[in-house]
Parts: sequence; C-alpha cells; structure tokens
Amino acid sequence: NAGVTQTPKFQVLKTGQSMTLQCAQDMNHEYMSWYRQDPGMGLRLIHYSVGAGITDQGEVPNGYNVSRSTTEDFPLRLLSAAPSQTSVYFCASSFGTGYSPLHFGNGTRLTVT
Amino acid sequence: AQRVTQPEKLLSVFKGAPVELKCNYSYSGSPELFWYVQYSRQRLQLLLRHISRESIKGFTADLNKGETSFHLKKPFAQEEDSAMYYCALSYNFNKFYFGSGTKLNVKP
Repeated sequence: NAGVTQTPKFQVLKTGQSMTLQCAQDMNHEYMSWYRQDPGMGLRLIHYSVGAGITDQGEVPNGYNVSRSTTEDFPLRLLSAAPSQTSVYFCASSFGTGYSPLHFGNGTRLTVT
Repeated sequence: AQRVTQPEKLLSVFKGAPVELKCNYSYSGSPELFWYVQYSRQRLQLLLRHISRESIKGFTADLNKGETSFHLKKPFAQEEDSAMYYCALSYNFNKFYFGSGTKLNVKP
C-alpha cells in the first residue's frame, strides 16, 4: 500500500502563478484534508472533505480551492500564488468514523517568490 | 473556538531523564486527543490517542479534564525519541486541530 501520496515534493512559484498540489490515497478513506505547516504555528487546516463531492473550509481557506470528484483524490489549487503561501503542505486522510487517526503524506515544500 | 496549546517550542533532556511534553486544550464539548510525532525526514505519524489508553514506545498521556490537559510523558528518554511532537484535538469525527509543536532533543 502506498498510503497517502503527494506530488510534487518541492515547487517554486512566482507571485501570481497558479498550480495544483496533488494528493491521492489508496486506503478507501472517506475523509481527506489539507494542512499547511509554518514555523511556530503548527499545522493549520485549509480545506477538508468528508466524501466525494463534499468539501468544506478549515481555518485558513483563503487563496485555495479544492474539489473531490473521487474517493481517492483531493487536489489543492492555488489560484494566484502569494509569498504568504510559502509553506509546507500536508495532505491527510482517515476513515472519518469514530476517532480514526489521520494518515499523512510526505508533504510538499512550496516557495513563492 | 477550539485551541490546542503547546507552551514549549523546544525541550532538551539528557538520555535516561524523564520527559514531559505539555499540551493544554480549550473545547466546550468532549474531544478526542492525540499525539503525533514527526521524526527527521519522515512523515507525521500517530504516536498515541487517548481513547486507546495505550503506551507506545514507552510514552503515555493522561487526559485531565479538570485542567484540560493531555501531557505526554516518558520515564526514561532515549536518543531516538528526538523528534517534533504535535498534540491534536478532534471533534465531530472530522476536524483536527493541532498545537504548534514541541521539538524534543534528547542529548547523549
């Protein structure tokens, strides 16, 4: 099992460019989510999804879009990158029932210049 | 609002010493509490969760509802315990909120 797979591992963007961070899981998890990790701030929830076709905002959703067309995939789109979006991004999934724990991807390190 | 506070950014101890990583939370309902760990060059992974009442790698955590705390403890730290530790709160089965993390450095 691959678990949660994120691509790319590293990305450099110029201000104003757009891109999509990919996330896929092969564990048949209903719940998927995106976090950003910034020094001194821990992980902050950007968007999450409780199943295909259902998404919702987390703590810091501005500047990001998501969609969930399949159970396996949950891409994160940056519409117009800003330096404030320089961060490490983590995708995580879980069964979403009971108190099932999150399974994380390896992260994407994004730099916006 | 739900908040998880980890007051220590960095905790340094010597090998064999006891270690306690603090976590306080604020939530009006009955959340579930977790500890996640990130070793160097590895992905974040679950260390333990309150509902399981388990001890993993010698670590335990007790939920104190009166003090709203979920501190992580280990009686004898090992060098391989050096890592970043995150306390997390979950409610409604879907939303997780993380603390800012504590970096544990175990010195030889």
